[in-house]
Amino acid sequence: DAKTTQPPSMDCAEGRAANLPCNHSTISGNEYVYWYRQIHSQGPQYIIHGLKNNETNEMASLIITEDRKSSTLILPHATLRDTAVYYCIAPSGTYKYIFGTGTRLKVLA
Amino acid sequence: GAVVSQHPSRVICKSGTSVKIECRSLDFQATTMFWYRQFPKKSLMLMATSNEGSKATYEQGVEKDKFLINHASLTLSTLTVTSAHPEDSSFYICSATGLAKQETQYFGPGTRLLVL
Repeated sequence: DAKTTQPPSMDCAEGRAANLPCNHSTISGNEYVYWYRQIHSQGPQYIIHGLKNNETNEMASLIITEDRKSSTLILPHATLRDTAVYYCIAPSGTYKYIFGTGTRLKVLA
Repeated sequence: GAVVSQHPSRVICKSGTSVKIECRSLDFQATTMFWYRQFPKKSLMLMATSNEGSKATYEQGVEKDKFLINHASLTLSTLTVTSAHPEDSSFYICSATGLAKQETQYFGPGTRLLVL
């Protein structure tokens, strides 16, 4: 897996966009970037993934830089229920995920 | 959809006993399943990878004789914690992926094990 680096914590006001960065400077050309979140005492929830194009789904948008060395997960209108730990993962072709420490996002009322 | 269930959600057992945790993919065929453990305020740690019909591959430092993994069908994997000790108390989470899912793993809700 490419090593990923994320800030340990972030705060965001409710209703505002939450932008969560991830650095994956050692990523190789065929490694996808995956984002998950984990709400306390639950299993991780899949959010989105991408290779090199920006992606959007009903949960979030994923912006990947042209050199693919970093990406940003965007929650367009954060709610209190988005408070969670967010993980960015770049697995190699073995399908194994190596979880880093993630970013603890706190959405403030 | 891609739903993965785990059973039980919570279990308490006595030291020295064995505990079995089931992981099921409910709406897709899971060719590969993964088992993780997570200690409080820590990240998930991969324990093992299992492919349907073959032996599991364990990560370094994980005792294969203590954590028995069986993946007998495309929808079910089990983790048995044998001769459990208090230090085995943890949150155990499984995930599954399949041919149609590429590398995307879908996670179960987790099983909280407390060994007394």
